[in-house]
Amino acid sequence: QVQLVQSGAEVKKPGASVKVSCKASGYTFTSYYMHWVRQAPGQGLEWMGVINPSGGSTNSAQKFQGRVTMTRDTSTTTVYMELSSLRSKDTAVYYCARGPDILTLTTDFDFWGQGTLVTVSS
Amino acid sequence: QAVVTQEPSLTVSPGGTVTLTCGSSTGAVTSGHYPYWFQQKPGQAPMTLIYDTSNKHSWTPARFSGSLLGGKAALTLSGAQPEDEAEYYCLLTYNAARVFGGGTQLTVL
Repeated sequence: QVQLVQSGAEVKKPGASVKVSCKASGYTFTSYYMHWVRQAPGQGLEWMGVINPSGGSTNSAQKFQGRVTMTRDTSTTTVYMELSSLRSKDTAVYYCARGPDILTLTTDFDFWGQGTLVTVSS
Repeated sequence: QAVVTQEPSLTVSPGGTVTLTCGSSTGAVTSGHYPYWFQQKPGQAPMTLIYDTSNKHSWTPARFSGSLLGGKAALTLSGAQPEDEAEYYCLLTYNAARVFGGGTQLTVL
């Protein structure tokens, strides 16, 4: 069965960076994109970006360009999301979610990780 | 960046019918925006209910349906159940970028 297992909660100081991991299993890792979505406490969902695990290409929301880096390790079927220059407004739960099939572009957002709480506080 | 709008809150009676809508600041929502609908309950990750306007996953209860209505995407719940009380989010695609709506808190009362 498809599973996305994320790394544990993090506490960071303003100005630092955080790297969240998402290990995928139960499907062919390089056949599906992977999204990153975040949710601040009591707020709505916010799409951050998407990575193609096959070639490593990425597309991020304009708001995060220059501050977010998405990478992948095909040997461990893990994708990573690194967010730099953290500020208190970045305190949120960060989710990975399986994206569409790379060839057919179907079945987007069908499986989600459990979420990783990142707290930014001095 | 486009802004996606949803009703902040709606209330439906048990067994009743309610329609949630999803609009775009760029104009009418079309099938080319590939509308998605998600349900999220407190403390849980979102769950996809509807994809590409009206398609359902195997886990989507039959009482949920998606459509385009009056230039917006719509999620209709027919025969509301207490367990349907949740936050609902729509998502639209704009040239490969995705934008979520602000969410609708649905109360079943």
